[in-house]
Amino acid sequence: ETGVTQTPRHLVMGMTNKKSLKCEQHLGHNAMYWYKQSAKKPLELMFVYNFKEQTENNSVPSRFSPECPNSSHLFLHLHTLQPEDSALYLCASSQDLRGGAVEQYFGPGTRLTVT
Amino acid sequence: GQQLNQSPQSMFIQEGEDVSMNCTSSSIFNTWLWYKQDPGEGPVLLIALYKAGELTSNGRLTAQFGITRKDSFLNISASIPSDVGIYFCAGQTWNSGNTPLVFGKGTRLSVIA
Repeated sequence: ETGVTQTPRHLVMGMTNKKSLKCEQHLGHNAMYWYKQSAKKPLELMFVYNFKEQTENNSVPSRFSPECPNSSHLFLHLHTLQPEDSALYLCASSQDLRGGAVEQYFGPGTRLTVT
Repeated sequence: GQQLNQSPQSMFIQEGEDVSMNCTSSSIFNTWLWYKQDPGEGPVLLIALYKAGELTSNGRLTAQFGITRKDSFLNISASIPSDVGIYFCAGQTWNSGNTPLVFGKGTRLSVIA
């Protein structure tokens, strides 16, 4: 595997379910990101991790819970979501936030539908 | 917060035509990035710009970092059907460490064969 991978690619869940999104990067990067992409809106940054430490939580509701066990893996745990949470969830990685290259590389995304 | 104004929002062009799109900001950026997103996929990095005035090419794509550091332009020459997609600009500033990227809303490009 190369680049940034995300699983699952598609997910349909009810409002009472608990599910997790997984992201893995094979680029040797130390910063990882979760974004939400809704129709006709700019990409919304949700969380940022740098060297496994969370550095940014962009006022995201607590029903979204990130986890970064190491620099290569990032999870987004979902519980009691709302229909308006339906969107494409994108993971990205970059070298790091300490002055390293800022280019972010994205995974293919998870298309989430909350019913 | 910082915002990027990207224009046009959408374009319909004939195959073979050249395309121009731009991004403007009220703030100064240190870096400009241009991405393309195909339907159902994540954005793919096309070009990264690091210096004011810089002009960089990637095949038929050319991007420029505006002299004022508040804008950037992307040109596509001789468009082909696979150029269809959404093009995003993103800007970044340095503030004792890399700050998160700010993204534009995208330009949706349609190419008519």
